[in-house]
Amino acid sequence: DAGVTQSPTHLIKTRGQQVTLRCSPKSGHDTVSWYQQALGQGPQFIFQYYEEEERQRGNFPDRFSGHQFPNYSSELNVNALLLGDSALYLCASSSRYRGPMNTEAFFGQGTRLTVV
Amino acid sequence: AQSVTQLGSHVSVSEGALVLLRCNYSSSVPPYLFWYVQYPNQGLQLLLKYTSAATLVKGINGFEAEFKKSETSFHLTKPSAHMSDAAEYFCAVSEGNQAGTALIFGKGTTLSVSS
Repeated sequence: DAGVTQSPTHLIKTRGQQVTLRCSPKSGHDTVSWYQQALGQGPQFIFQYYEEEERQRGNFPDRFSGHQFPNYSSELNVNALLLGDSALYLCASSSRYRGPMNTEAFFGQGTRLTVV
Repeated sequence: AQSVTQLGSHVSVSEGALVLLRCNYSSSVPPYLFWYVQYPNQGLQLLLKYTSAATLVKGINGFEAEFKKSETSFHLTKPSAHMSDAAEYFCAVSEGNQAGTALIFGKGTTLSVSS
């Protein structure tokens, strides 16, 4: 089982550019959530996808958008990058069909985005 | 809105000593609570979770946590620290009453273990 895989592992972008991060969920999982973790902080929820639609969203501007594909993989897109977008972006996968007692989020190793 | 407060951004213990990492939560519905560990340049690994079953929850690597509703706490403990326990620890509450939904994290506690 490959677990949750994210690509790329590191990325450097210039202010104003756009970036796309990718996530493949753990086998058997159908739900993908994205989190932003600034240096020295806890992860903050960006949004969650299942059945190819955004289901929940945290307090992030519209510059942050996403997509989920039929194979459950997901992309996070950030437009008009700001210096403050520099962070570790974490993807988490889970299953909606295992019931609340058995559902937990599994995290990938993250993508380190640096905006210069 | 739900929130998590981790008391103490940095905890230092000696190898073999008791580890106690504190977490208090705020929730308007019965919460699902989690402890995650993060090693440098890694993602998050689940240590344990509380989902309204037993109030004393045992996790991996000898860690356990007790859910105390009256104190709105979910403190993490380990009887004897090991050097390999040095890492960042995050307490989280599930927004909504279904595990696997959006997690609200605390700011984290860095655990240092000295020999």
